[in-house]
Amino acid sequence: KAGVTQTPRYLIKTRGQQVTLSCSPISGHRSVSWYQQTPGQGLQFLFEYFSETQRNKGNFPGRFSGRQFSNSRSEMNVSTLELGDSALYLCASSLNPGGTEAFFGQGTRLTVV
Amino acid sequence: EDQVTQSPEALRLQEGESSSLNCSYTVSGLRGLFWYRQDPGKGPEFLFTLYSAGEEKEKERLKATLTKKESFLHITAPKPEDSATYLCAVQAPGNQFYFGTGTSLTVIP
Repeated sequence: KAGVTQTPRYLIKTRGQQVTLSCSPISGHRSVSWYQQTPGQGLQFLFEYFSETQRNKGNFPGRFSGRQFSNSRSEMNVSTLELGDSALYLCASSLNPGGTEAFFGQGTRLTVV
Repeated sequence: EDQVTQSPEALRLQEGESSSLNCSYTVSGLRGLFWYRQDPGKGPEFLFTLYSAGEEKEKERLKATLTKKESFLHITAPKPEDSATYLCAVQAPGNQFYFGTGTSLTVIP
């Protein structure tokens, strides 16, 4: 079965712009989590969605937001981009919230210049 | 503050030279501890989940163990294809996941 699909794979944006990233979970998985991965900080939890509702949120500013659609696909948005937002953004899907086995996508590499 | 620390940061092994990676955590009320493997340019790949102290899980040359304060990922007779970054994550009572920064393993033929 198809894995987690993230689009686009690469993005280059300018400071101050906004960006939207997309994640399609594994078929049947209803929980989607987002992470930011940087060399210095490792993987940091952004938020988790289940049944179109945000269930958990990490310690990120309000510029980072997300949503989930009825088909479980999820988007995350970052507004007013800063240089420090350059990172690999990973999406993970699982059957249920806090799922014990999460499957990750390949990620979206965002570069802010 | 909940924290996950992995050591060493980097490890170079000769093919066949067994070793262990460490993951220590300070999360209270641990709901689960997870090991992932990440290859360059890819997302993490799930390896194991451990739930309680004393639990062990094995997969090919990998064996994960858990105590009340740390987990070990033992690699027996590694091969070059085992080269990757190994990530540890813990699940806190609020269902939040905290990841370590990983151990970069290189296995030299």
